[in-house]
Amino acid sequence: DAGVIQSPRHEVTEMGQEVTLRCKPISGHNSLFWYRQTMMRGLELLIYFNNNVPIDDSGMPEDRFSAKMPNASFSTLKIQPSEPRDSAVYFCASIGLSGSSGELFFGEGSRLTVL
Amino acid sequence: AQSVTQLDSQVPVFEEAPVELRCNYSSSVSVYLFWYVQYPNQGLQLLLKYLSGSTLVKGINGFEAEFNKSQTSFHLRKPSVHISDTAEYFCAVTRGSNYKLTFGKGTLLTVNP
Repeated sequence: DAGVIQSPRHEVTEMGQEVTLRCKPISGHNSLFWYRQTMMRGLELLIYFNNNVPIDDSGMPEDRFSAKMPNASFSTLKIQPSEPRDSAVYFCASIGLSGSSGELFFGEGSRLTVL
Repeated sequence: AQSVTQLDSQVPVFEEAPVELRCNYSSSVSVYLFWYVQYPNQGLQLLLKYLSGSTLVKGINGFEAEFNKSQTSFHLRKPSVHISDTAEYFCAVTRGSNYKLTFGKGTLLTVNP
């Protein structure tokens, strides 16, 4: 099992540029979560999907952020335009709710630096 | 809404000493509780969880935690730590089976020789 795969692992960009982060959940998992981790705010849930449908996006900071899940094996988190305060590590996580052991599996994260 | 408080942001200990990392939660309903560990430059991985049943739960790497409903606590313990246990530890809570987790701010455990 390859685990949750995120790309890119590191991204450095300039303010105003568009950033797209990608996630491939574990095959068979039907829920996907995007978290953001910063020193100041810790781990914050941005959005989660169930069966490819966004269920709760109340954590998305503002309209510059958008997330999609076009199919069960792929999700994107887009920031447009990016700002320095968006610098953080963004984690994707997945879980299979049916018969779940309760374990949320995390990717290794995408470290974003906006200059 | 639920919240999680990890009372210590940093805990330094010597190797082979016991350790307790504290976690308190607030919720008006029954919850599921978790401890995750994050090693440098890695994602989070599950240490242990409480869903129901016995209030003392055992996890990987010799860690255990006790759910105390009256104290609304879920403290993590290990009787003897190793250098390799140096990492950040996160307590998390969710109300329901959707596993929408709320995390604490984390506790950095540093094990010194």
